[in-house]
Amino acid sequence: DTAVSQTPKYLVTQMGNDKSIKCEQNLGHDTMYWYKQDSKKFLKIMFSYNNKELIINETVPNRFSPKSPDKAHLNLHINSLELGDSAVYFCASTPAGTRTGELFFGEGSRLTVL
Amino acid sequence: SQQGEEDPQALSIQEGENATMNCSYKTSINNLQWYRQNSGRGLVHLILIRSNEREKHSGRLRVTLDTSKKSSSLLITASRAADTASYFCATDFKGNNNDMRFGAGTRLTVKP
Repeated sequence: DTAVSQTPKYLVTQMGNDKSIKCEQNLGHDTMYWYKQDSKKFLKIMFSYNNKELIINETVPNRFSPKSPDKAHLNLHINSLELGDSAVYFCASTPAGTRTGELFFGEGSRLTVL
Repeated sequence: SQQGEEDPQALSIQEGENATMNCSYKTSINNLQWYRQNSGRGLVHLILIRSNEREKHSGRLRVTLDTSKKSSSLLITASRAADTASYFCATDFKGNNNDMRFGAGTRLTVKP
């Protein structure tokens, strides 16, 4: 059973389009994240949600809108896609109340904007 | 902003040799973690070291932490071809364990 699952795994789209990536975790964790990994492999935090509440928004453009319908799901919607949005997007989760912040990652969603 | 910075960016060794990767960070931390990423896959947690610890072992992994220098090292002993992957350090940004920040990783290639 996949612990943190993302869909789709690959996404190719044109500039200006709107797209969504979905994430679900079956670990019972309360905190979920979106990270962006660029072509140089830098992994940058975008958002963090704790129990459906946004707790970190790391200067991400307004075109990116996360939505957490419940604590097991965190989706990422991107409007008006730009070339620079091409990257691999990772969803991750961590247990609530942990003092260590160990992250459990999904397999990533590779977004290519043409 | 990024927090960890790994070096070297890339490392190539022969099977059986040891691999050492370093990580430097900027703010105070409660813990530092190392992750592994195989090509095309997600990151997998390897080992965690707390700020009050200096060294930790897990199988063939040895991690050190020097909080005075804001640096850590990951040593993989007796490397295997299957250890080929990218290795990242992550720290809790300004001590917030809900805000784990990564660098660009070290790409390790172990030749058989």
